[in-house]
Amino acid sequence: NAGVTQTPKFQVLKTGQSMTLQCAQDMNHEYMSWYRQDPGMGLRLIHYSVGAGITDQGEVPNGYNVSRSTTEDFPLRLLSAAPSQTSVYFCASSKYGPPLLREQYFGPGTRLTVT
Amino acid sequence: SQQGEEDPQALSIQEGENATMNCSYKTSINNLQWYRQNSGRGLVHLILIRSNEREKHSGRLRVTLDTSKKSSSLLITASRAADTASYFCATDATASSGDKLTFGTGTRLAVRP
Repeated sequence: NAGVTQTPKFQVLKTGQSMTLQCAQDMNHEYMSWYRQDPGMGLRLIHYSVGAGITDQGEVPNGYNVSRSTTEDFPLRLLSAAPSQTSVYFCASSKYGPPLLREQYFGPGTRLTVT
Repeated sequence: SQQGEEDPQALSIQEGENATMNCSYKTSINNLQWYRQNSGRGLVHLILIRSNEREKHSGRLRVTLDTSKKSSSLLITASRAADTASYFCATDATASSGDKLTFGTGTRLAVRP
């Protein structure tokens, strides 16, 4: 199994540009989530999904969209990039979400810089 | 706001010593997890403890949970240089927060050879 994969690993955007961060898992996990990690802030939940066709907002959803058309894929779209979105983005998956939550598997991250 | 807060923010110890880090949270939880993050990498799951458990062991790791104090501790015994990493607690709170897992701000552990 490849586990959780993320592409790209690094990305530089100009303010106002849009892009999609890709996330895929091959473990047949129902629960997938996106986090951003900023220095001193820990991980903050952006969006999550409890299954194909179902998504919901996390702690910091503004400026981001998600969709879950398949169990395997959970892309994160930046609609109009802003410097405040400079961060490291992690995708994670788990067999089930809360309250049956088990361990989450994390991807390697995407380091995004918005200039 | 963060559900979990780790303490201390940073910890430096000598190889062979024990490392203890703490996590406090605000609302009732279903379970609490600890993760490790090596520099520049994704998080790796270490251990999960349920709200009805008080202590759990995994190798050199010992986790305790005190739901009355809304706190947990992670003890790493006989630390090694390879334990140098950031450690995060994560909680899924019952009811009001929905299907979310919330991470704390982390403890940076440095183990000196």
